[in-house]
Amino acid sequence: DADVTQTPRNRITKTGKRIMLECSQTKGHDRMYWYRQDPGLGLRLIYYSFDVKDINKGEISDGYSVSRQAQAKFSLSLESAIPNQTALYFCATSDLGRGESYNEQFFGPGTRLTVL
Amino acid sequence: GENVEQHPSTLSVQEGDSAVIKCTYSDSASNYFPWYKQELGKRPQLIIDIRSNVGEKKDQRIAVTLNKTAKHFSLHITETQPEDSAVYFCAASYNTNAGKSTFGDGTTLTVKP
Repeated sequence: DADVTQTPRNRITKTGKRIMLECSQTKGHDRMYWYRQDPGLGLRLIYYSFDVKDINKGEISDGYSVSRQAQAKFSLSLESAIPNQTALYFCATSDLGRGESYNEQFFGPGTRLTVL
Repeated sequence: GENVEQHPSTLSVQEGDSAVIKCTYSDSASNYFPWYKQELGKRPQLIIDIRSNVGEKKDQRIAVTLNKTAKHFSLHITETQPEDSAVYFCAASYNTNAGKSTFGDGTTLTVKP
């Protein structure tokens, strides 16, 4: 089945380290997103991308950067990790706008990141 | 930008009872309102959605209602079962904005057997 995958699934790192979280999808979707989930705060958008040439900031982009290497790959980087970036990170995809569920988001399994 | 408020943050019901979760949104341009269910340790998954040209939608034991004038929408689960226990998120978006959705903070539903 077409899916969204994330690596690594768990990561523990130290303050100041550079970290990259990777997302791949076989759904053939053009749109990809990175979210952060904290307890009681829902899902907050970090960055999103229409296609490989399009990158947009979300509501909490400070301290993060992204790279859309191909239609199927979207990476999130923490240039210098800090403890308050400890969270569960989700990648998601959605289709271009065809069909009935054109805005449905398909989520990856998540990456649990701990910054010490 | 869009702001979505979701209530309650936690909800506990007895098996067989109904559960209702409510969301309000701020941007009148929003036209797509999905609900996602996230089981413990799992990824969020869409369970039902509604578009602004529809007032109500049902799928077996779950239903969603939308009041565009008041800018609020609700998730209704009837005959709740223990497997309905999860975190539920509402969201709002409009299709001219790249499908970018704004999520509510989530409701933790516990169904007691």
